[in-house]
Amino acid sequence: DTGVSQNPRHKITKRGQNVTFRCDPISEHNRLYWYRQTLGQGPEFLTYFQNEAQLEKSRLLSDRFSAERPKGSFSTLEIQRTEQGDSAMYLCASTLGPDHEKLFFGSGTQLSVL
Amino acid sequence: KQEVTQIPAALSVPEGENLVLNCSFTDSAIYNLQWFRQDPGKGLTSLLLIQSSQREQTSGRLNASLDKSSGRSTLYIAASQPGDSATYLCAVYGGTYKYIFGTGTRLKVLA
Repeated sequence: DTGVSQNPRHKITKRGQNVTFRCDPISEHNRLYWYRQTLGQGPEFLTYFQNEAQLEKSRLLSDRFSAERPKGSFSTLEIQRTEQGDSAMYLCASTLGPDHEKLFFGSGTQLSVL
Repeated sequence: KQEVTQIPAALSVPEGENLVLNCSFTDSAIYNLQWFRQDPGKGLTSLLLIQSSQREQTSGRLNASLDKSSGRSTLYIAASQPGDSATYLCAVYGGTYKYIFGTGTRLKVLA
């Protein structure tokens, strides 16, 4: 059990560019979450996968954001046409379920949009 | 809509003090509540998970209580140490696929 892994740890990009982040959950965990966190705030829910199915997506997520979890393993989060307001820490978490298990977080990807 | 509030937003205490962090939530229909620790620039680490049927959970110097009917949870830290300095966040799970987080309490324990 190596924990939840996120790559890259840091990403600096110019406004208008596309970026993609990767999350590798704990291997037996079938539930995967993406959250976004800005300085001084708590994590804000973005989307949830159960196996490969995306079951919940925040209304805060514009159509520039898309997430996938092919084959129920790793997940990717893509942001198209980045804006300065997208600058944040993007956190991935996984859990085994059913609904009563601890959440395990990765170290996050810090995105800076210039 | 579930809202989670944490008070105080920041706290500075001398080493050795016992302290209480507070978390309140507006919708009492929750499955569980978790307390997390976050160090600067890092991810979150789950400290304690309390199921809705439980009143408290303990781990070492940490004790978390849950009063679902009043929408409150407290995290008690005994004999605080400088290594406890971090941000502490609570999150509630209401069965709608997502955990809702508070904004956290930034704790600084002075040596």
